[in-house]
Formats: sequence, structure tokens, C-alpha cells
Amino acid sequence: DAKTTQPPSMDCAEGRAANLPCNHSTISGNEYVYWYRQIHSQGPQYIIHGLKNNETNEMASLIITEDRKSSTLILPHATLRDTAVYYCIVRVVYSTLTFGKGTMLLVSP
Amino acid sequence: EAQVTQNPRYLITVTGKKLTVTCSQNMNHEYMSWYRQDPGLGLRQIYYSMNVEVTDKGDVPEGYKVSRKEKRNFPLILESPSPNQTSLYFCASSSLGRTGSTDTQYFGPGTRLTVL
Repeated sequence: DAKTTQPPSMDCAEGRAANLPCNHSTISGNEYVYWYRQIHSQGPQYIIHGLKNNETNEMASLIITEDRKSSTLILPHATLRDTAVYYCIVRVVYSTLTFGKGTMLLVSP
Repeated sequence: EAQVTQNPRYLITVTGKKLTVTCSQNMNHEYMSWYRQDPGLGLRQIYYSMNVEVTDKGDVPEGYKVSRKEKRNFPLILESPSPNQTSLYFCASSSLGRTGSTDTQYFGPGTRLTVL
């Protein structure tokens, strides 16, 4: 059973913020929300993760709702190089990383 | 530079001819894993290893073997490849619980295998 639900695809204009949603209504108290992305046929790349507080790093921001049932990955100024499949993964730290189908983000000029 | 390397990057072979795909990491990571990626099926874990001489099956282990004799290396072995093992393979590694570390998984560049 899928632990997360993501839209299959999204579009974003270059330079604008990309907001990628993820639903994880059955998340457990000790499970984190992780985001990875995969640029066409390259190895997946870690972006960010969080438990319940919002997180920010040099790549993105992660906003987790107070009830932790959903989250949003924000790429503040999307570039063409951000075109990729984005995976939202719910897991306990150090457990197996299980990838779903993700969201294909297309950034256009 | 911290990295996971895989060799070869591309391989075309024939049914039944044993092959090995190598994976090496230079980050002193305990955890290593192999995935395969197929259209419509996403990334699926084949085998993983929590440390030297410790390996376990993932979701799709049939037809594959692994070994972990050294911490840095985790080769994937196909004893008798078949066409249904044609796929894109990724190796990954991460640390496990050392103070100050995270469990971010670092992935290799991928090996595209075609079995005729």
C-alpha cells in the first residue's frame, strides 16, 4: 500500500516557485518525510527531510502541516535544471527507502 | 569528492552469461543497497547490506546475488542473466547511526543493462 500520494505531473515557469504537494495521511509518529529527485535516468538525489517542523536548506524548503498528514516541497526559484521526478517518501530513520511513482516536474522557459 | 561509483555504466550481454556490476563508495558508509528501475514500476530494492558480511533481500531479489566482503564494495552478481533483468540499476550507500551523521542515501550514476 502506498504511504504517499503525489500528483503525477506538474508544470512551473522558470524563475517561479514550484510547490510540490504530498499527502501522507497514515504517517506514524516516528516517521519522517523525505524528498528525493531524479533527473532523467540519473541516480536519485536527496533534497530534504523533516519530522514536524518546517525545514530549509540550500536546495528547497519543506512545509509539513500541523497534523503531519501532508507536506509541500518548495523550490523557491525553479530553473530548467530542476526538471525531474520528485519523490516524497515517508519512513523511519535508517529504514528501507521505498520509492513511489513521484511527481514529474516540468520547468519551462 | 564523496561519491558512489558503478561499473560498467552500460552493458549488453546474452542470456546465461554470468556478469558482475561493481559498486564502490568512498564515504565509509555502513549501509549499501542495489535498486533496479523499470518503466512504470519505479525503483525497487534488490538487496541491501547493513555492514560487512551482512546482506539481506529487498523486494525483488530473485536472480541476483550480492556480497559484502569489504565495507566500500558491494558487487551485484547475475549468475545466469535473463532478458527480464534488462533494466537500469542503481547502487546507493548511507551511514548508519554514527554520531552527527544522517541517513541520506547517495546514489551512483546507474548501470544500464541489456540482456539479449
